[in-house]
Amino acid sequence: GQQVMQIPQYQHVQEGEDFTTYCNSSTTLSNIQWYKQRPGGHPVFLIQLVKSGEVKKQKRLTFQFGEAKKNSSLHITATQTTDVGTYFCADNTDKLIFGTGTRLQVFP
Amino acid sequence: DTEVTQTPKHLVMGMTNKKSLKCEQHMGHRAMYWYKQKAKKPPELMFVYSYEKLSINESVPSRFSPECPNSSLLNLHLHALQPEDSALYLCASSLILSATNEKLFFGSGTQLSVL
Repeated sequence: GQQVMQIPQYQHVQEGEDFTTYCNSSTTLSNIQWYKQRPGGHPVFLIQLVKSGEVKKQKRLTFQFGEAKKNSSLHITATQTTDVGTYFCADNTDKLIFGTGTRLQVFP
Repeated sequence: DTEVTQTPKHLVMGMTNKKSLKCEQHMGHRAMYWYKQKAKKPPELMFVYSYEKLSINESVPSRFSPECPNSSLLNLHLHALQPEDSALYLCASSLILSATNEKLFFGSGTQLSVL
């Protein structure tokens, strides 16, 4: 079945460092969503990407959708302790299926 | 009101018990979802309701029985669960069930422990 893999599984960074998580699909995606789940919390929608090669920014967060619509990335510039959590991409081609997630820890 | 409310927040049940999880939203959303999330894993889709009709069942065992009494409410009835069913159960809603442009709003979840 459809699988969406994310790397890395875990990332520990010093506050102020950049962070990137990559999302890869075995099949072409019609669109992809990104969610953030804080420790002990629930997933919260961040953004949706639809077009091939699309780039969207939200303050320090930059989201990209690959040209072939099989991969996506989330880049955080100058991480802060409030960025701690697990970042999931989610394939919304047919029904919302979450990727494996990347857990980010930020040390002050 | 942009909230999805789930009750109870925590539930401990024995393998012979019958219990129900409840979910409510007043955003006028017509699609509602149940996800199961084990620790350090992504949420896994269980059921989707669209306009109060079951639209997707991801081959979930019959000991989990969903119900959508009206457009604002979603229940998950539990019976004869196994310890491996212990997990965080998340309810979510979206405006409609669509493959495009529909973001999901999640509730805070019910942390279920089966003894």
